[in-house]
Amino acid sequence: DTGVSQDPRHKITKRGQNVTFRCDPISEHNRLYWYRQTLGQGPEFLTYFQNEAQLEKSRLLSDRFSAERPKGSFSTLEIQRTEQGDSAMYLCASSQVGGNNYGYTFGSGTRLTVV
Amino acid sequence: GNSVTQMEGPVTLSEEAFLTINCTYTATGYPSLFWYVQYPGEGLQLLLKATKADDKGSNKGFEATYRKETTSFHLEKGSVQVSDSAVYFCALTEGGYQKVTFGIGTKLQVIP
Repeated sequence: DTGVSQDPRHKITKRGQNVTFRCDPISEHNRLYWYRQTLGQGPEFLTYFQNEAQLEKSRLLSDRFSAERPKGSFSTLEIQRTEQGDSAMYLCASSQVGGNNYGYTFGSGTRLTVV
Repeated sequence: GNSVTQMEGPVTLSEEAFLTINCTYTATGYPSLFWYVQYPGEGLQLLLKATKADDKGSNKGFEATYRKETTSFHLEKGSVQVSDSAVYFCALTEGGYQKVTFGIGTKLQVIP
């Protein structure tokens, strides 16, 4: 297993367009998380899945954002009608259920630039 | 709610200097504590962790001790190298689903 993969690495889009990012977690991990990181800040929690169930969404996740994990494996994060304020690094992470001992495995992120 | 406060950078040190990056936390229960590192252009990597009071996490010469009485988890390294230049994030999790709360990150620059 090569770790958590995110695609694309970089995305430049015009304001108002829709974008979709993909995350492939470590195969045996049943938890998947999305975070957003803006310049000079730590990552902020957006949402997480256990298997295919989306169990929590941050208030940061406006109605324009939607995340899915249809078969409990890969996940997609879609942003509709992008705004300049959406420009950030979007990080995906996965972990295995069983307590707080493991820490996350992060992907390299998708950097979104809205122009 | 939970929060993590860490010293703002950037921190600039000469090679072989001693490093301390301060981190304090606020949590309602008994969190697990972590340090993550982010090298330029890369994602976050778990550096070390501690899951209960007085535990010491260590990795690659870095260490941090979970101090419940001072709610702190300071990162230390005895002799930094140029390759340690990165951004370091203190973080905690609390609760069964491992949602992580991060600090703002401290940029470390080590000069030869």
